[in-house]
Amino acid sequence: SQQGEEDPQALSIQEGENATMNCSYKTSINNLQWYRQNSGRGLVHLILIRSNEREKHSGRLRVTLDTSKKSSSLLITASRAADTASYFCATATGANSKLTFGKGITLSVRP
Amino acid sequence: DAMVIQNPRYQVTQFGKPVTLSCSQTLNHNVMYWYQQKSSQAPKLLFHYYDKDFNNEADTPDNFQSRRPNTSFCFLDIRSPGLGDAAMYLCATRQGVQETQYFGPGTRLLVL
Repeated sequence: SQQGEEDPQALSIQEGENATMNCSYKTSINNLQWYRQNSGRGLVHLILIRSNEREKHSGRLRVTLDTSKKSSSLLITASRAADTASYFCATATGANSKLTFGKGITLSVRP
Repeated sequence: DAMVIQNPRYQVTQFGKPVTLSCSQTLNHNVMYWYQQKSSQAPKLLFHYYDKDFNNEADTPDNFQSRRPNTSFCFLDIRSPGLGDAAMYLCATRQGVQETQYFGPGTRLLVL
C-alpha cells in the first residue's frame, strides 16, 4: 500500500516564485526524505528530516515534518527553470530503513 | 567521482527472452537496491542486498531474480519478460549506518 502521498500531483509556477509540495503518510517513520527526478533519469536525494525534527533547511529548500498529522512539506524558494522535475517524498521505516515512495509531484517552472 | 553506474541505459528485449540489467558502484556501500518504476508511478522496491544477505519483497514476482557477486556489482535478471515488465529499473546504494540512498541513472526496459 502507498505510504507517501504527495499533493498536488502537478504544479506550474513562474520563475522566482516559491513552490510548496506536501506529503502525507500513514505509519510511524524513522525519517522522511525528498528526492528529485529529472525526466528519464535516476533520483537525486535532496533532504532528509528525522522523526524527532520539525524543520530543516538546505540552500533554497525548506522541509517541515508534523508527525502528529503524519505530513511533510517541501518548500523551494525563488524557483528556477532548472527546478523543473518530479519530486518524490519517501518514508523510511523499520530496522533497515526501507524507503517507500509516493507517486511524485511534477513541478514545472516557467522562465 | 564516486557513483552508481547502470548499463545499459536503454534495453530492448523480446517477450519471454531473458534479460539482465547491471549495476555497479564505486561508493563501496554495503547495501544495494533494485527498484522498478513504471511510467508516472512511484519507484517500487523489488529486493535489496545487505552485504551478501538477499532480501526479497513479498510482492516481487518470481520472474525477477538478483545476483550480487561482490560488493561493487549487482545484477537484475528477468527470466521471462512480459509486456507488463516494461519500466525504468533503478539501482541504489546505501552505506549501512547512513540513511540516504544514492541512485543510478536507471535502465529503461522495453519489451517487444
